[in-house]
Amino acid sequence: GQQLNQSPQSMFIQEGEDVSMNCTSSSIFNTWLWYKQEPGEGPVLLIALYKAGELTSNGRLTAQFGITRKDSFLNISASIPSDVGIYFCAGTISNAGGTSYGKLTFGQGTILTVHP
Amino acid sequence: DTEVTQTPKHLVMGMTNKKSLKCEQHMGHRAMYWYKQKAKKPPELMFVYSYEKLSINESVPSRFSPECPNSSLLNLHLHALQPEDSALYLCASSQVPHQLGNQPQHFGDGTRLSIL
Repeated sequence: GQQLNQSPQSMFIQEGEDVSMNCTSSSIFNTWLWYKQEPGEGPVLLIALYKAGELTSNGRLTAQFGITRKDSFLNISASIPSDVGIYFCAGTISNAGGTSYGKLTFGQGTILTVHP
Repeated sequence: DTEVTQTPKHLVMGMTNKKSLKCEQHMGHRAMYWYKQKAKKPPELMFVYSYEKLSINESVPSRFSPECPNSSLLNLHLHALQPEDSALYLCASSQVPHQLGNQPQHFGDGTRLSIL
């Protein structure tokens, strides 16, 4: 199946540091989504991106839809302990046919640990 | 607070039991999804309902039986499950996807299922 390469797999950082993670694919995407999942909860949508080149912020979070439509990054500035969790990129592939154009392809996740 | 509500939060069942997972959303979404998620892995799509009709079955074993009684409710009926079926089962909803654009999926907090 289609794959999204998400990196890094895990990050251990100090409170206050900035964080950057990204997803790349060989396929062209028409939507990029970034989710955060904490233990015992479902994934929570952080940012949704719909156009190539789009740069969107949500508080300390910034994400961009790559110009080639094959990649996206998420930055977190001035990290705090509550940023801990697993961050997933996800997207919908533009040439998916039939009923498949709504299917989300997920990255493998980035596990973020923030030390106070 | 999630706008997609799943019950129960935890379920322990034997391999011969029959149980059901329930999901409810009141966001007016007409697409609903079941996912299976193992620890620290991304969600894996199982079923998609669009306008209360099953549109995608990702080759899920017949011991999992979905049902969409109306536009707000989604059930997953379980029977004769195996220990490897132990996982977090997530429900999600969204506007119905279309080729020109996709609204993001919103997830519930899941049901933690343990098969003895």
